[in-house]
Amino acid sequence: KAGVTQTPRYLIKTRGQQVTLSCSPISGHRSVSWYQQTPGQGLQFLFEYFSETQRNKGNFPGRFSGRQFSNSRSEMNVSTLELGDSALYLCASSGTPLGSGSYEQYFGPGTRLTVT
Amino acid sequence: AQTVTQSQPEMSVQEAETVTLSCTYDTSENNYYLFWYKQPPSRQMILVIRQEAYKQQNATENRFSVNFQKAAKSFSLKISDSQLGDTAMYFCASMTGVGNQFYFGTGTSLTVIP
Repeated sequence: KAGVTQTPRYLIKTRGQQVTLSCSPISGHRSVSWYQQTPGQGLQFLFEYFSETQRNKGNFPGRFSGRQFSNSRSEMNVSTLELGDSALYLCASSGTPLGSGSYEQYFGPGTRLTVT
Repeated sequence: AQTVTQSQPEMSVQEAETVTLSCTYDTSENNYYLFWYKQPPSRQMILVIRQEAYKQQNATENRFSVNFQKAAKSFSLKISDSQLGDTAMYFCASMTGVGNQFYFGTGTSLTVIP
């Protein structure tokens, strides 16, 4: 079974621009979560989508948004990029039930975004 | 909200030796799950082991085992017979039974020395 894929793997943008990152979950997985990883802040939760609906949201400004399509693929968008948005953006999908409806997550390789 | 704390930013261990990584968490939920993830230098995050809070028996996966102390809210990872490929950042994470939001610790960078 193919793993979680993310495109592009690397991206360089200029401050003020916007960017769209894509994530394709493992086949059959319906939940997709996004994380921002930086050396200083570790892994920070951005949002989670399930069946095209945002189910959870982290503490990030409105410049960060996402969506999920009917095939469970997800995109996240960052508008008006700032230097501090430089990070590794990780996507994770889940779908294997652990018991009471919770699922372990499988991560993609990430997209390395550099804002100059 | 849940919090996960990893108090060891960096650790090292000799090849073939045993090392224990610490993790504590804070939750008011009765039903939750705990995980250890490994992120090698290639950056792909990999699930190492998981533990359901309602299970008293400690989880084991080959050379990896956990010491789950529910009352103390402690969830340490023991790596036996350490191998060079174990060199990675290790993240402890928790998740409640409601929704699908994971909470990660800040990570422990483990280096296995040949």
